[in-house]
Amino acid sequence: AQKVTQAQTEISVVEKEDVTLDCVYETRDTTYYLFWYKQPPSGELVFLIRRNSFDEQNEISGRYSWNFQKSTSSFNFTITASQVVDSAVYFCALSPIDSNYQLIWGAGTKLIIKP
Amino acid sequence: GAGVSQSPRYKVTKRGQDVALRCDPISGHVSLYWYRQALGQGPEFLTYFNYEAQQDKSGLPNDRFSAERPEGSISTLTIQRTEQRDSAMYRCASSLVGMRGFTDTQYFGPGTRLTVL
Repeated sequence: AQKVTQAQTEISVVEKEDVTLDCVYETRDTTYYLFWYKQPPSGELVFLIRRNSFDEQNEISGRYSWNFQKSTSSFNFTITASQVVDSAVYFCALSPIDSNYQLIWGAGTKLIIKP
Repeated sequence: GAGVSQSPRYKVTKRGQDVALRCDPISGHVSLYWYRQALGQGPEFLTYFNYEAQQDKSGLPNDRFSAERPEGSISTLTIQRTEQRDSAMYRCASSLVGMRGFTDTQYFGPGTRLTVL
């Protein structure tokens, strides 16, 4: 089965706290891609990161970091020193290599950053 | 450069009417995708084009839904005889390439919010 699970439906933190959004995936493929997208209250879907299954290096981009662990089939997303503008729904998605255009989406995690 | 654009941004129609939703992909992007997103859920795949060829339409819910991309650029998603259950956000995305064995990043447009009364 090909599946993405984002178990946290909603997370609420106070500004400046660190927060981690979990993403666990299932796939039978050895090669695949993982993505994170952000959907702010304005509604657009904004691409954040794409990761190839062969690249297990963690990635940091400013306050954002991603922890890819193949052993646990997880691709977690951490926001450091959260800001109100980080409030959004965050989606994790999987693209199996034999269906490159079909993104399998998690249900999303709604992140609320309180001032 | 310009991102993916969609029009209209909002569409309210009466049950039974036809609607046409337009997508203008990022210039030079070969692949174009249509999704539907219900509130509180992730996007649901509808159909996919490489250039003007519709490669996969397996996600279209029924034969009231159709899509075209006649010149390999702008695409139109048409819903005939709309029903209330068609109400959703319709999103378009494009990517530079879309070939088996390689997954390129899909960049999404702002979406069209369709409401069928």
